[in-house]
Amino acid sequence: EAQVTQNPRYLITVTGKKLTVTCSQNMNHEYMSWYRQDPGLGLRQIYYSMNVEVTDKGDVPEGYKVSRKEKRNFPLILESPSPNQTSLYFCASSFRPSFNEKLFFGSGTQLSVL
Amino acid sequence: EDQVTQSPEALRLQEGESSSLNCSYTVSGLRGLFWYRQDPGKGPEFLFTLYSAGEEKEKERLKATLTKKESFLHITAPKPEDSATYLCAVHNTDKLIFGTGTRLQVFP
Repeated sequence: EAQVTQNPRYLITVTGKKLTVTCSQNMNHEYMSWYRQDPGLGLRQIYYSMNVEVTDKGDVPEGYKVSRKEKRNFPLILESPSPNQTSLYFCASSFRPSFNEKLFFGSGTQLSVL
Repeated sequence: EDQVTQSPEALRLQEGESSSLNCSYTVSGLRGLFWYRQDPGKGPEFLFTLYSAGEEKEKERLKATLTKKESFLHITAPKPEDSATYLCAVHNTDKLIFGTGTRLQVFP
């Protein structure tokens, strides 16, 4: 089944404890992206990648890191999480490296930073 | 500043009661407008892409239309399974901007 898989589904952590949220897609998509979704603010892009080894900042990149060493994987790294990073996170991918392609989303990771 | 506004924030309908959701936008250079459906606890799911004013697309009970300033998602004779949050997103020259969504509840 074609899908975008995120793990974990839920995560509770404490301020300053490094964490990684994994994202993998099995559709051979070029483009991958991370979003956070907060009430009243909609989906905001954190980072995106047009291809392997190519990553760019989105609208809210502060406090996050990403890497794209393989085409299928795009992990999101929080080196020192803070409470304002408590949010619902989505990984997304599309076939071609363009903002004008339909996105396939994962099921989300609900992160709470205490 | 480029902006996408969806209205209403929430909509309650009786089963069979048709209505429309609005997505108004102010962007410099529209490249495409997207509609997504998001169920609770899930990621958004693609519905439609519209590229130019006057374009229309349909899928089951949903019909999306586009003008130079806004898009409508028309829901004809909705069923309870149409209950979800509907998101609009606009592609300008260099990014994709999402609205905050309309939460639709359809009661039997």
